[in-house]
Amino acid sequence: EAQVTQNPRYLITVTGKKLTVTCSQNMNHEYMSWYRQDPGLGLRQIYYSMNVEVTDKGDVPEGYKVSRKEKRNFPLILESPSPNQTSLYFCASSSTGSGNSPLHFGNGTRLTVT
Amino acid sequence: GQQVMQIPQYQHVQEGEDFTTYCNSSTTLSNIQWYKQRPGGHPVFLIQLVKSGEVKKQKRLTFQFGEAKKNSSLHITATQTTDVGTYFCAVTSYNFNKFYFGSGTKLNVKP
Repeated sequence: EAQVTQNPRYLITVTGKKLTVTCSQNMNHEYMSWYRQDPGLGLRQIYYSMNVEVTDKGDVPEGYKVSRKEKRNFPLILESPSPNQTSLYFCASSSTGSGNSPLHFGNGTRLTVT
Repeated sequence: GQQVMQIPQYQHVQEGEDFTTYCNSSTTLSNIQWYKQRPGGHPVFLIQLVKSGEVKKQKRLTFQFGEAKKNSSLHITATQTTDVGTYFCAVTSYNFNKFYFGSGTKLNVKP
C-alpha cells in the first residue's frame, strides 16, 4: 500500500532533550516536506527536500533540522526542543515539487514539550 | 512569503444546506490545491486547479479558480455529515518549491 509513515504518533518530552521524528515513504517520491499545524494557523511548511541531499527552508525552519540521505526517508530533528514547538507535525511527499502533484501526508505526530 | 487568506474560519450548517469556503491571494497563482482533513486525521488531497476560470466538479463538490488566478472557492451542495472536517487550500510560489496553506475552514454539519 502506498503510504507515508511517521513515527511516533505521540511524543511527550522535556525542554532541551533532542528528539527525532521519522518519516518514510514507499512511493519513490522525489519531494518530501515537513509541516506543523497549530490552531487557526493552518499548516506551515518547516523544511522541504527536492531530492537526496537537497533540502531547503520552508516558512518556519527555526529550531528544526532535517536530512535526506536516502530517497525514502526524511527525518525531522529538534536539537533542543522548546515549549513553543508543541504542535501537530505532518510529513508529506509528492512525486514532484512546485505544487504540480498532490501531497500525500503521513498520519501526524503530536508533540508536547514541557 | 506567499500569503493566501481563507474564509470563513468556521461554518456550522444544518445537513442539506450548502457550504462555501474561499481562498484569496494578492498575487497571481500558478495553481491551487484543495485538501480535506477529517477530525483527528491528516490532510487528504481533493483536487488541483491550474487554468484561469477553471471549474471542476466531484459529485456534490464544485471547485472554481478565478479568472485572474488570484482566488478560488470550494462549494458543497446539500451537505452531509460525512462532509465534516477542515478544508484547506494550498498554493506554491512561482520560483520556489514551497507550499503555503490557507488557515482552513472548519465545517460542522448538524444532522
